Amino acid sequence: DGGITQSPKYLFRKEGQNVTLSCEQNLNHDAMYWYRQDPGQGLRLIYYSQIVNDFQKGDIAEGYSVSREKKESFPLTVTSAQKNPTAFYLCASSSGRISTDTQYFGPGTRLTVL
Amino acid sequence: AQSVTQLGSHVSVSEGALVLLRCNYSSSVPPYLFWYVQYPNQGLQLLLKYTTGATLVKGINGFEAEFKKSETSFHLTKPSAHMSDAAEYFCAVSDQGSRGSTLGRLYFGRGTQLTVWP
Repeated sequence: DGGITQSPKYLFRKEGQNVTLSCEQNLNHDAMYWYRQDPGQGLRLIYYSQIVNDFQKGDIAEGYSVSREKKESFPLTVTSAQKNPTAFYLCASSSGRISTDTQYFGPGTRLTVL
Repeated sequence: AQSVTQLGSHVSVSEGALVLLRCNYSSSVPPYLFWYVQYPNQGLQLLLKYTTGATLVKGINGFEAEFKKSETSFHLTKPSAHMSDAAEYFCAVSDQGSRGSTLGRLYFGRGTQLTVWP
């Protein structure tokens, strides 16, 4: 089945640690996105990538980093510089060819800082 | 940048009643509009989208939405609510950026939590 997988589903981090969230897609999509979701805030864009080896900051990139070395993978690192990392993180992908594309979402990773 | 306003963070209806979830957008050019649904601790699933053409768009699970340019609105409706409709609903808008800029970037509203009472 084609889709997007995110791992782990739940992640606990101690303050001062970096953690990496995995996102993999087998939809052959060019574009991939990372969102952060907080209660009552909707989804806010962290980073997005429209092609391999290229990515752009979204609205809340501070304290996060990404890489896009392979078309199917777009890992997100939450660094110790992120002051309030506890949130639900969603990865999405789309073909990236036209603006009417549907974005397909993974099941999410819930990160909790202890 | 685009912005999306969802009026009402919580909506409650009885089973069988009309569902109306409101969405207004601000955009300098005609946008593309989307409604997504999210069940607890899951990702988002597309309900429907408006790109061009007919302004009344039908989606999955009996939902539909009407694009009204004069009102800059894209409200989501369903004639008869079902218990399984209880979820959070997000309205989103995409701009018409070209490849290499903001192509396909979505701007989300804050969401509306729908509760359905038996």
